[in-house]
Amino acid sequence: AQSVTQPDIHITVSEGASLELRCNYSYGATPYLFWYVQSPGQGLQLLLKYFSGDTLVQGIKGFEAEFKRSQSSFNLRKPSVHWSDAAEYFCAVSREKLTFGTGTRLTIIP
Amino acid sequence: DGGITQSPKYLFRKEGQNVTLSCEQNLNHDAMYWYRQDPGQGLRLIYYSQIVNDFQKGDIAEGYSVSREKKESFPLTVTSAQKNPTAFYLCASSTHRGQETQYFGPGTRLLVL
Repeated sequence: AQSVTQPDIHITVSEGASLELRCNYSYGATPYLFWYVQSPGQGLQLLLKYFSGDTLVQGIKGFEAEFKRSQSSFNLRKPSVHWSDAAEYFCAVSREKLTFGTGTRLTIIP
Repeated sequence: DGGITQSPKYLFRKEGQNVTLSCEQNLNHDAMYWYRQDPGQGLRLIYYSQIVNDFQKGDIAEGYSVSREKKESFPLTVTSAQKNPTAFYLCASSTHRGQETQYFGPGTRLLVL
């Protein structure tokens, strides 16, 4: 069965600092890969997705993610975070069915 | 504006009561989904529908029911058989089921009185 692991439950970053959120997946073949963001009490917004091709994917709000097949990873990065980036971030994989990680809560300190 | 709407934003259920959560989309998507979200957990699939008048159970369908009479609408009923209904419920849609990107509504928070 496919699975997604987000090893960091909570990350705190200073405003202006760089960010990397980790995501590892387990699946026999390369699945489709997604990052979503959720603000408190809101639905999920798609940040970016990887289906094939260039392994470095650009998304909205200045985020990017890199697919590394050898490590079964799809880590999310941002060079400089803003206070408005504080939210919960979900990695998800899809082959027929969309499977979510348990999320990483991002706190930004001034 | 195209998108997914869910209503109500908050819903209160009494013991033994059935309640229905609304989900409407104007994206002309064939597939629609219902997820349940609990604190500290990812989203878990309750039901999905690939086409009108057809729907399938997801991972946690017990205590829930759905209908898909129109392409735009996919209401979820939380029945009295669901003993722990307090959660955040999210509706999503995609062009069709599979590897396609899913787009989410704003969610409904269900609380038990």
